[in-house]
Amino acid sequence: GAVVSQHPSWVICKSGTSVKIECRSLDFQATTMFWYRQFPKQSLMLMATSNEGSKATYEQGVEKDKFLINHASLTLSTLTVTSAHPEDSSFYICSARDRIGYTFGSGTRLTVV
Amino acid sequence: GENVEQHPSTLSVQEGDSAVIKCTYSDSASNYFPWYKQELGKRPQLIIDIRSNVGEKKDQRIAVTLNKTAKHFSLHITETQPEDSAVYFCAAREDFGNEKLTFGTGTRLTIIP
Repeated sequence: GAVVSQHPSWVICKSGTSVKIECRSLDFQATTMFWYRQFPKQSLMLMATSNEGSKATYEQGVEKDKFLINHASLTLSTLTVTSAHPEDSSFYICSARDRIGYTFGSGTRLTVV
Repeated sequence: GENVEQHPSTLSVQEGDSAVIKCTYSDSASNYFPWYKQELGKRPQLIIDIRSNVGEKKDQRIAVTLNKTAKHFSLHITETQPEDSAVYFCAAREDFGNEKLTFGTGTRLTIIP
């Protein structure tokens, strides 16, 4: 079946630094990638939708200058959390539309100290 | 936009009994309703889905029912086992636009041995 590889699985960074998270579709072309954030014991909240070759669409309340999304190829989408702060600590998950539904990455646990 | 409500937030059942989780959605244009199981720190795993042209779908111990008129759908797990313990999320997808999923708030299911 379809596989989305997400890296890193966990990262700890200092406040003020930037962190890049990558999602790759391994055996299919993902023209659309969805980025979610999940706080402990909460649901998945869609942050933005990235489309290959065009600008991402951000959900209301998500700062596009803080969460930079790049989808330069049909197999790679990246999320960069810029100037990270402790309140950005969360579980970030990507998801790609595949032939039959949606495939999720394994998630990235971001801790900002 | 779409709004998905999910109940209950927690559910405990004796091993072997059935579990039912219910979701309602707001957008009558939604046409795809997946259910995901998520274990702690892991990616959501699709367990069953249903499309708007079908009223019920079953896969072994798991079934989903959809009432388009009332805009609600339910997950039924029969003969529950300890490994069914997890958080379950319902979701709905709109019939247009970028096909994003809107998730319910989740149900923590605990199977009591």
